[in-house]
Amino acid sequence: DAKTTQPPSMDCAEGRAANLPCNHSTISGNEYVYWYRQIHSQGPQYIIHGLKNNETNEMASLIITEDRKSSTLILPHATLRDTAVYYCIVAHGSSNTGKLIFGQGTTLQVKP
Amino acid sequence: AAGVIQSPRHLIKEKRETATLKCYPIPRHDTVYWYQQGPGQDPQFLISFYEKMQSDKGSIPDRFSAQQFSDYHSELNMSSLELGDSALYFCASSSSGANIQYFGAGTRLSVL
Repeated sequence: DAKTTQPPSMDCAEGRAANLPCNHSTISGNEYVYWYRQIHSQGPQYIIHGLKNNETNEMASLIITEDRKSSTLILPHATLRDTAVYYCIVAHGSSNTGKLIFGQGTTLQVKP
Repeated sequence: AAGVIQSPRHLIKEKRETATLKCYPIPRHDTVYWYQQGPGQDPQFLISFYEKMQSDKGSIPDRFSAQQFSDYHSELNMSSLELGDSALYFCASSSSGANIQYFGAGTRLSVL
């Protein structure tokens, strides 16, 4: 499975957009980029995923570069409740082969 | 909406004892994953089941075993417990064809 590289920590002002980068230069053609977050020892929470096109849902947007070697998760209006560890994970799209390999993640601190 | 149910939420055992953790997936989800998260660590994949068959295996000790039953619930059995087994154990479920994993609240195991 491809590995990912994320900055260990980031700060963001409440109400501003949070842009979380991720490098995945060894991603293979059939692997997706997934983003999960974990709020203080709760179960990880799925945010969004994509293959090569940009994606948007009610939680966030995902921008994937054309060469698919990096991506950015965008939380458009961060709130204090978005403070969490954010994990960028590359995995297969099929559930029966889709174990998640969690790296160190980015600890996002949203400040008032 | 129904979520992944894990029981018990907390478990205290002594060294060399056994423990059984249970996971009830979201209805109609056919794939179950188990993850272990040690103190200050990121979640680590242990094992997964698809349609009641083991589909993948990670860094799961030989002292641990797991299975998925006909009703799709899963149990993680841990024997000869060691201090280092103290961790949060998460179960996640997904439906075939879509590798979006929904996590339970976890079981916190403390081995004394």
